[in-house]
Amino acid sequence: SQQGEEDPQALSIQEGENATMNCSYKTSINNLQWYRQNSGRGLVHLILIRSNEREKHSGRLRVTLDTSKKSSSLLITASRAADTASYFCATARTYMNSGYSTLTFGKGTMLLVSP
Amino acid sequence: DAGVIQSPRHEVTEMGQEVTLRCKPISGHDYLFWYRQTMMRGLELLIYFNNNVPIDDSGMPEDRFSAKMPNASFSTLKIQPSEPRDSAVYFCASTLGLAGISSYNEQFFGPGTRLTVL
Repeated sequence: SQQGEEDPQALSIQEGENATMNCSYKTSINNLQWYRQNSGRGLVHLILIRSNEREKHSGRLRVTLDTSKKSSSLLITASRAADTASYFCATARTYMNSGYSTLTFGKGTMLLVSP
Repeated sequence: DAGVIQSPRHEVTEMGQEVTLRCKPISGHDYLFWYRQTMMRGLELLIYFNNNVPIDDSGMPEDRFSAKMPNASFSTLKIQPSEPRDSAVYFCASTLGLAGISSYNEQFFGPGTRLTVL
């Protein structure tokens, strides 16, 4: 089943407002990553938070991770029209008997920021 | 670095035709991933390579799909014969595995190939 599920599926706000997106997952993880995808483009990595971290900041981005609830949130402060994009969380698992692991992406939250 | 390069950017073909998608990863990266993105199923991992060796192809939907990585700077994803349900955006991504594990670092995505099978 899908590892990461974003909520809400779509979010519409005005410039200057904050945008919060949530991600829930089902199994234990090594880290959780957030990506952005502009229309017609590839995904771009935004931030990575490890399982032993609770909060991380990068510019206007703030990510939290609650491993007990198996959830994460991405907050974009003082949003701009250029933040309009789809945002995906991706969870990383490590398989016990090998060093290999992959990312599992959710279906994303579509954010629209109006001027 | 130019980033991950994919070609073609758009491909329109007729059902039954062979389609070949190409990818050049970022130089020095040791992992390469092929994904497919559709509205219904989101982003799905099809196959990934480590040091040019296919590691897991369990995401490849059918035998009609095949992927190769003949060297560290080139990979192909081939669909033969193509069907309308293969229409999607196909992404290639690469990363440098930290501690030998691919998911400890960010993945770098190419711009994608939008495939339309009529």
